[in-house]
Amino acid sequence: KQEVTQIPAALSVPEGENLVLNCSFTDSAIYNLQWFRQDPGKGLTSLLLIQSSQREQTSGRLNASLDKSSGRSTLYIAASQPGDSATYLCAAWNSGNTPLVFGKGTRLSVIA
Amino acid sequence: NAGVTQTPKFRILKIGQSMTLQCAQDMNHNYMYWYRQDPGMGLKLIYYSVGAGITDKGEVPNGYNVSRSTTEDFPLRLELAAPSQTSVYFCASNLRGLATDTQYFGPGTRLTVL
Repeated sequence: KQEVTQIPAALSVPEGENLVLNCSFTDSAIYNLQWFRQDPGKGLTSLLLIQSSQREQTSGRLNASLDKSSGRSTLYIAASQPGDSATYLCAAWNSGNTPLVFGKGTRLSVIA
Repeated sequence: NAGVTQTPKFRILKIGQSMTLQCAQDMNHNYMYWYRQDPGMGLKLIYYSVGAGITDKGEVPNGYNVSRSTTEDFPLRLELAAPSQTSVYFCASNLRGLATDTQYFGPGTRLTVL
């Protein structure tokens, strides 16, 4: 059974810093891995989706990488801003009728 | 284009009461989902639907029922509410199914069962 872990649970950084959020998964036979952002009291917004055949995906200041062999994905945020403060969740999908398996998230605070 | 909408935003139920959480999407997506998110936890799939008239169980379906009579709507029914059903419920949809492409989420319904 797929399990997804995100460490740390919370992270606080000063504005302008580059940072990395970590996600690990137990079953490397994933079809894709997805990163979401959740603002307090809101739903999830999809940030990046990496197919199993890809190594990374980029969107603006965000870069997500995937290493299936080690069971890890990272989300790199460049030049962090206070508006980046949110909870970031990763989710792994193993295809077929299996559901997306979510991690518990990392709560990021960017301090001005 | 409203995306995925959910009503109500908040609700308090007494043990044993029933209610329906409403979800609608205007993107003509075939696939729709219901998740629950407990405090400090990731999301768990309750039920999903691959099209009007077709539904299937997710990871945590006990205590819930769904129906899908139209492409747009996917209501979630709670029968005999229990404190364990206190959670935030999210509805989502996408075009190509399960996790093959991006899922779009509604803003959530915060439910408390006392």
